[in-house]
Amino acid sequence: AQKVTQTQTSISVVEKTTVTMDCVYETRDSSYFLFWYKQTASGEIVFLIRQDSYKKENATVGHYSLNFQKPKSSIGLIITATQIEDSAVYFCAMREGNVGDNSKLIWGLGTSLVVNP
Amino acid sequence: GPKVLQIPSHQIIDMGQMVTLNCDPVSNHLYFYWYKQILGQQMEFLVNFYNGKVMEKSKLFKDQFSVERPDGSYFTLKIQPTALEDSAVYFCASSRTGGALAEQFFGPGTRLTVL
Repeated sequence: AQKVTQTQTSISVVEKTTVTMDCVYETRDSSYFLFWYKQTASGEIVFLIRQDSYKKENATVGHYSLNFQKPKSSIGLIITATQIEDSAVYFCAMREGNVGDNSKLIWGLGTSLVVNP
Repeated sequence: GPKVLQIPSHQIIDMGQMVTLNCDPVSNHLYFYWYKQILGQQMEFLVNFYNGKVMEKSKLFKDQFSVERPDGSYFTLKIQPTALEDSAVYFCASSRTGGALAEQFFGPGTRLTVL
């Protein structure tokens, strides 16, 4: 079965610290792509970072990085030096298949992050 | 960055009526998507659309649902007739290319309330 699970409903941190958000997934495909999106208070959904299942190296974009543990089917998002404006709901999502496949995104429930001064 | 617009932001209608949700995708994008998010639940894929055709749809995309993009105008999701369980936020997305790597750009959503 295809499934994405985010167990943390809400996280609160102090700014400038590092936060990790968990995500585990289920898939039967050997090839898949994992994404993290952010939904701001205005409702805007923004793509943050992607991990390809065949890549061993963890993806990094700006102050976002991933902790990809394939044997555990886990793809954690790490935000370093958090800022107030990082406050949002963070969604983990998965897409199965190969590069040319236009398959659907399967979403987790989201983790609400609050960054306090 | 590129913006996807959705009109209206909120829509309240009576059960059984027809509703059309409008999406103005990024101008050079060719692939279009609708997702549905019921309050407190995860976002779920409804349908994707390319070159005038539905490419893939989920079991949530009931017979009462239809999509189209006539002459490069809005990409629309029509529900006729609506049911109470259609109440949700509907997100439109578009991407320039297809494929599993294609970055989808999302609109802010339309909150549909069916009474």
